[in-house]
Amino acid sequence: KAGVTQTPRYLIKTRGQQVTLSCSPISGHRSVSWYQQTPGQGLQFLFEYFSETQRNKGNFPGRFSGRQFSNSRSEMNVSTLELGDSALYLCASSLRTSGIYNEQFFGPGTRLTVL
Amino acid sequence: QQPVQSPQAVILREGEDAVINCSSSKALYSVHWYRQKHGEAPVFLMILLKGGEQKGHDKISASFNEKKQQSSLYLTASQLSYSGTYFCGTASNTGKLIFGQGTTLQVKP
Repeated sequence: KAGVTQTPRYLIKTRGQQVTLSCSPISGHRSVSWYQQTPGQGLQFLFEYFSETQRNKGNFPGRFSGRQFSNSRSEMNVSTLELGDSALYLCASSLRTSGIYNEQFFGPGTRLTVL
Repeated sequence: QQPVQSPQAVILREGEDAVINCSSSKALYSVHWYRQKHGEAPVFLMILLKGGEQKGHDKISASFNEKKQQSSLYLTASQLSYSGTYFCGTASNTGKLIFGQGTTLQVKP
């Protein structure tokens, strides 16, 4: 079974631009969660989608948004990029709604660098 | 609210034991443990549900004390392959899985 895939793997943008990251979950998984990882901050929860609906949202500004498609693929968008948005963005898929009871499978991440 | 992990970093020799602690200020439904090796994605280790259970996976086990809102991960007879960053994730009634800042474990020969 193929794992979680994320594209692109690396991205360089300049301040003020916007970016869209993509995540394809494991086949059959309906939940996709997004995390931002920076040194010293660990994994910061962004949001979770299940069956095309946002189920939970972390404490990030409205510049961070996402969506999920009917095939469970998910995209995350960051508008008006700031230097502090430089991070590894990880998505994780889960068979059912994640969070409390279910194992999450992480993708390799997208490394975003904002100049 | 982000759980607090301790210690932040630990260095061991092969064969030594280690304990990583995870503490939350919120009432917890479950605690999750993941390990991330350098340059790789986090990998699931185990989930502990409220009820004070203890779980084991080879020489790695964990406990969950829901009254104290704490969990501990025990690594016995460490192997070089145990090196990496360990994250605990806690889930409360919000349904979100919130991760700690991580504990870096280095096992030396």
